[in-house]
Amino acid sequence: DAKTTQPTSMDCAEGRAANLPCNHSTISGNEYVYWYRQIHSQGPQYIIHGLKNNETNEMASLIITEDRKSSTLILPHATLRDTAVYYCIVRVDDNYGQNFVFGPGTRLSVLP
Amino acid sequence: EPEVTQTPSHQVTQMGQEVILRCVPISNHLYFYWYRQILGQKVEFLVSFYNNEISEKSEIFDDQFSVERPDGSNFTLKIRSTKLEDSAMYFCASSGNRDSYEQYFGPGTRLTVT
Repeated sequence: DAKTTQPTSMDCAEGRAANLPCNHSTISGNEYVYWYRQIHSQGPQYIIHGLKNNETNEMASLIITEDRKSSTLILPHATLRDTAVYYCIVRVDDNYGQNFVFGPGTRLSVLP
Repeated sequence: EPEVTQTPSHQVTQMGQEVILRCVPISNHLYFYWYRQILGQKVEFLVSFYNNEISEKSEIFDDQFSVERPDGSNFTLKIRSTKLEDSAMYFCASSGNRDSYEQYFGPGTRLTVT
């Protein structure tokens, strides 16, 4: 069963903010929201994760709604190199051995 | 910045042959994983490995697959008798230092079975 839903694809103009939404309406209280991306056929790349509070790092910001049923990944100034498939994944962080379950993700195209 | 490395980048083999895919995880990580991605499809979990034994495995990881950490640095995936449908990108990942659960992926090995 899919735990998250994301748009299939999005476009963004180079230099503008890319806002990628994710719905996770059945998220449990102890599940974290993770974002990964996959550029072309490279290995998935960790971007950011959070539980309740908004998070920011050098790559992106993660905004989680108060009810935690949805979140938005923000790339503040998208570049052509940010063109990739972005995956929103929810999971409980209680077991290092637990795998990440990747869905189809959102294909972001950054346009010049 | 430390990274996961994988060799070879591309492996071509004939159906029925054995292949070994190699990975060097990030040095202070304790958990290791293999995922695969058939062309145009989703990234799929195969197996996780900790303390020299399998922690979890998926339905894909049948008796044709095995994993090993033969020394302190390498982590290998062996496919005993390859099938055409084993053609895919195989990604190794590692995680499990004290403060984080995120997994860091290698660049992948493209396996082509002919």
